[in-house]
Amino acid sequence: QITLKESGPTLVKPTQTLTLTCTFSGFSLSTSGVGVGWIRQPPGKALEWLALIYWNDDKRYSPSLKSRLTITKDTSKNQVVLTMTNMDPVDTATYYCAHRPLGYCSSTSCYQANWFDPWGQGTLVTVSS
Amino acid sequence: QSALTQPASVSGSPGQSITISCTGTSSDVGGYNYVSWYQQHPGKAPKLMIYDVSKRPSGVSNRFSGSKSGNTASLTISGLQAEDEADYYCSSYTSSSTWVFGGGTKLTVL
Repeated sequence: QITLKESGPTLVKPTQTLTLTCTFSGFSLSTSGVGVGWIRQPPGKALEWLALIYWNDDKRYSPSLKSRLTITKDTSKNQVVLTMTNMDPVDTATYYCAHRPLGYCSSTSCYQANWFDPWGQGTLVTVSS
Repeated sequence: QSALTQPASVSGSPGQSITISCTGTSSDVGGYNYVSWYQQHPGKAPKLMIYDVSKRPSGVSNRFSGSKSGNTASLTISGLQAEDEADYYCSSYTSSSTWVFGGGTKLTVL
């Protein structure tokens, strides 16, 4: 069974740097094809994809937030860390981490997984002075 | 990249069918068969309902189905049940090797 759990501060001040940790179990980030992503959701609003790190340390970032985001992994600890600099009240949101699966093969082809399953429970981060 | 476009709300009566649309561009929805759909109940984490446009994960009811035509993907829920009332989000892989989500649709079961 795959589980993920987000942890970090519940309150940060404007201009501070947010550091969130995703601790997972049931899979290894050293397995080829696997990834862990971060998605956020402001209160009452839509989901927004932020970043993803692959098993091979390849990283992808949301173009609109790329300059503020850094994603890293610690395979030995089964953890992925997301940092976001220069926090602003508009960054108030529930932050989720999610598992990007291995992918699958049919009788003729293999396909990468471009979905997220499962997700962590989320952690609410409020940005306020 | 802009968010995918979904209707803000849809509704239906128990037993009926509803369809939620998700419109993107040729750089995301139209360019790949990598559309996924998520169900989110209030205060809960999103749950995967459909991946690769039309595939259902194990354990998801066959009342949920997905399709795509051009730059628009669709989620259809047949035989509506009260438990289906939730927010639904589409997502697509993009030509930038990133992901984008839709604005979300609130489904009300009347």
